[in-house]
Amino acid sequence: DVKVTQSSRYLVKRTGEKVFLECVQDMDHENMFWYRQDPGLGLRLIYFSYDVKMKEKGDIPEGYSVSREKKERFSLILESASTNQTSMYLCASSIAGTNTGELFFGEGSRLTVL
Amino acid sequence: GENVEQHPSTLSVQEGDSAVIKCTYSDSASNYFPWYKQELGKRPQLIIDIRSNVGEKKDQRIAVTLNKTAKHFSLHITETQPEDSAVYFCAASIDRKTSYDKVIFGPGTSLSVIP
Repeated sequence: DVKVTQSSRYLVKRTGEKVFLECVQDMDHENMFWYRQDPGLGLRLIYFSYDVKMKEKGDIPEGYSVSREKKERFSLILESASTNQTSMYLCASSIAGTNTGELFFGEGSRLTVL
Repeated sequence: GENVEQHPSTLSVQEGDSAVIKCTYSDSASNYFPWYKQELGKRPQLIIDIRSNVGEKKDQRIAVTLNKTAKHFSLHITETQPEDSAVYFCAASIDRKTSYDKVIFGPGTSLSVIP
């Protein structure tokens, strides 16, 4: 069974703090994604990575960066957190280059920025 | 880039009735259309998907239809049960059969099944 684990379920940070959200998958998936989930807006793609050290901007990359130093780990970084980054963050992974595009999601990290 | 719209945003049905959720997409190159279900407090999970080479797919009480010409696809749930209550997301992507594929989601439909 695929497992995608996000390091923190709930975080409370102050404006201007640096925030790290970590995600680890155990199925050797090539693709990894960070989504942000807000009511009425669905799941919006922040960044994705299709290989180690590779990254691509999604639809809302501003204010975020990512790091993928190892295949199983994909980190989302908020260099200077702001209140409008209060949200649920979902990590996902998928197999590359096959006929299935299923995304396997983590449990989510709910971030509150005060 | 791809844009996916979804309607309605909320839907209430009586147990046993059918529910239909509709989505439209903008990029004619999209060829893979999954549907995800997210129960309250849980992670989204894939429930059914369809590729552009077919017009309809069924799995027990759920079915998805695709109209490539009109660029819209729909989820149909028959004989709804309380456990069908959840937020449903449609999505579209281009399955390039290479190393990466970007999935764009609709805003979601909150379905409530009233016992």
